[in-house]
Amino acid sequence: EVQLVESGGGLVQPGRSLRLSCAASGFTFADFAMHWVRQVPGKGLEWVSGITWNGGTIDYADSVKGRFTISRDNAKKSLSLQMNSLRPEDTALYYCAKAAMATLFQGAPDYWGQGTLVTVSS
Amino acid sequence: DIQMTQSPSTLSASVGDRVTITCRASQSIRTWLAWFQQKPGKAPKLLIYKASILESGVPSRFSGSGSATEFTLIISSLQPDDFATYYCQQYNSYGPWTFGQGTRVEIK
Repeated sequence: EVQLVESGGGLVQPGRSLRLSCAASGFTFADFAMHWVRQVPGKGLEWVSGITWNGGTIDYADSVKGRFTISRDNAKKSLSLQMNSLRPEDTALYYCAKAAMATLFQGAPDYWGQGTLVTVSS
Repeated sequence: DIQMTQSPSTLSASVGDRVTITCRASQSIRTWLAWFQQKPGKAPKLLIYKASILESGVPSRFSGSGSATEFTLIISSLQPDDFATYYCQQYNSYGPWTFGQGTRVEIK
């Protein structure tokens, strides 16, 4: 059974940093691209960042470019999102999502974690 | 980025009704479109990918169609478990994933 378990969310002041993690199991992690998607409670879904199977290609939404860094450790079956210079508008539930393919955008997200809530507020 | 527009935003329906949700892309995405169901407090669940392929385990009352810029999700006979919010998403290989704004299906 595919499982994605996010952690690392919490309350943080504007301008500070937070690191999210996603632990994967139940599939060959190294074979698939992985992504972060966020959702403001009660609102829609926004893609944040993605990384190919080997980390060779990475992309970010314009809203987080230069502030967030995605990475993966295939040996540990783990995905991370380092979030720096956080803003109140980054407040959202952050989902880890597995793509159906190894390349960055060609596969739909077929499995999602339950999300970890990030609240940016003073 | 490719913009995705869903309609309607909210839909009131009864059990047994046929429900149609439309999704339009700002440019052609061929059939690189997925549909998701999301219930309160839960993660999105993949229903359909490549515009019309039903994900394993999804009931056959769900179907998808369309290509290029116009897509449709149909629930042939609405069941109590289907009251939820539905999102379309494009996954064209040339750019970032983008989602429709969602359609909430509520009880009439």
